[in-house]
Amino acid sequence: GESVGLHLPTLSVQEGDNSIINCAYSNSASDYFIWYKQESGKGPQFIIDIRSNMDKRQGQRVTVLLNKTVKHLSLQIAATQPGDSAVYFCAASYSGGGADGLTFGKGTHLIIQP
Amino acid sequence: AAGVIQSPRHLIKEKRETATLKCYPIPRHDTVYWYQQGPGQDPQFLISFYEKMQSDKGSIPDRFSAQQFSDYHSELNMSSLELGDSALYFCASSPVRNTQYFGPGTRLTVL
Repeated sequence: GESVGLHLPTLSVQEGDNSIINCAYSNSASDYFIWYKQESGKGPQFIIDIRSNMDKRQGQRVTVLLNKTVKHLSLQIAATQPGDSAVYFCAASYSGGGADGLTFGKGTHLIIQP
Repeated sequence: AAGVIQSPRHLIKEKRETATLKCYPIPRHDTVYWYQQGPGQDPQFLISFYEKMQSDKGSIPDRFSAQQFSDYHSELNMSSLELGDSALYFCASSPVRNTQYFGPGTRLTVL
């Protein structure tokens, strides 16, 4: 079955620095990947997604990189702000199955130091 | 912009009782997903519905059932509640095969 995991449980960065959160997945059939941000007691908030026909996608201050060869993706956040403090999850699914559920990784807690 | 609505936001039940959680998807979203998130855990997929039909099934216990109604809202029915069912329950909605947007969750506490 699918297994999605993050390499670090906690990441501490200085305000204004860039941060990189990594994620590995195991199912080669996965073709859709999403990063979510979750603040304490709230629902996961969509940040950015990428499909397997791409290797890079950029949003506002965020970039997702996908390396299908090693089944790895990363989320880069530029110029981190205090509001970026949260738990970040990567999630994967196979879009060909229809309304398939997402498989989430374990989450990385991003802490922004002033 | 309209978001996913879940009710109730908080629910306290005794062991062996039943609970019903409701989810109202974003307008024009025809697909609903349910997830369970234990303390300090990642969300675990339970079940999904597309156009009122069950689409995918994850780690949903046999004690739980769900359905999607003609207005696309969904209900998760939980029976014979156990202490281990205490968790946050999230509903997400999407246009089919597209980004899932999550609701604020229902915090279920089983005493």
